[in-house]
Amino acid sequence: AQSVAQPEDQVNVAEGNPLTVKCTYSVSGNPYLFWYVQYPNRGLQFLLKYITGDNLVKGSYGFEAEFNKSQTSFHLKKPSALVSDSALYFCAVRGSSGSARQLTFGSGTQLTVLP
Amino acid sequence: NAGVTQTPKFRVLKTGQSMTLLCAQDMNHEYMYWYRQDPGMGLRLIHYSVGEGTTAKGEVPDGYNVSRLKKQNFLLGLESAAPSQTSVYFCASSNGRGLAGGSTDTQYFGPGTRLTVL
Repeated sequence: AQSVAQPEDQVNVAEGNPLTVKCTYSVSGNPYLFWYVQYPNRGLQFLLKYITGDNLVKGSYGFEAEFNKSQTSFHLKKPSALVSDSALYFCAVRGSSGSARQLTFGSGTQLTVLP
Repeated sequence: NAGVTQTPKFRVLKTGQSMTLLCAQDMNHEYMYWYRQDPGMGLRLIHYSVGEGTTAKGEVPDGYNVSRLKKQNFLLGLESAAPSQTSVYFCASSNGRGLAGGSTDTQYFGPGTRLTVL
């Protein structure tokens, strides 16, 4: 079975500082990894995904994520945080074998950027 | 282009009542999904569909039924609501053309339906 762990329920960072939201995964076969963001009372919005190739993936709103196969991690990063980045962030994974349509989500990390 | 829309946005039911949630997408996507979101548990897949007329069970299908009579619509039904079904429900769709049977697809989400069962 595939799984995703987001070890931090809450991350606080000062505006202008770099931010990292952590994600580790377990999956059979090649991993396909996604980050989504959810603003209050809204649906999830796609940020970026890793399929294959370059381990550093760039996405929307200045976010990027680094795929590390040996550590089975896919941490979300941004060089300079904005107050408007405050939201709930979800990491998700699918494997290349088995039930391909089932996207497994982590429990989410609440990011708060302090002015 | 509205993307994925959900009806209704809010609903309160009494235990034992039934209701249907409607999801519509205008992106001509093949695949559609229903999730529920509970605090501290992320999103869990209830049912999904890989095309018109097809449905399949996800991680937490008990107490729910679905239908995909038209490609653009995916309905989620609760025949006899229970308080444990109090949740926020999200519909999503994807084009189904990604690698490994759609595993690389990006899913696009609707705004959600907040359901309370008393």
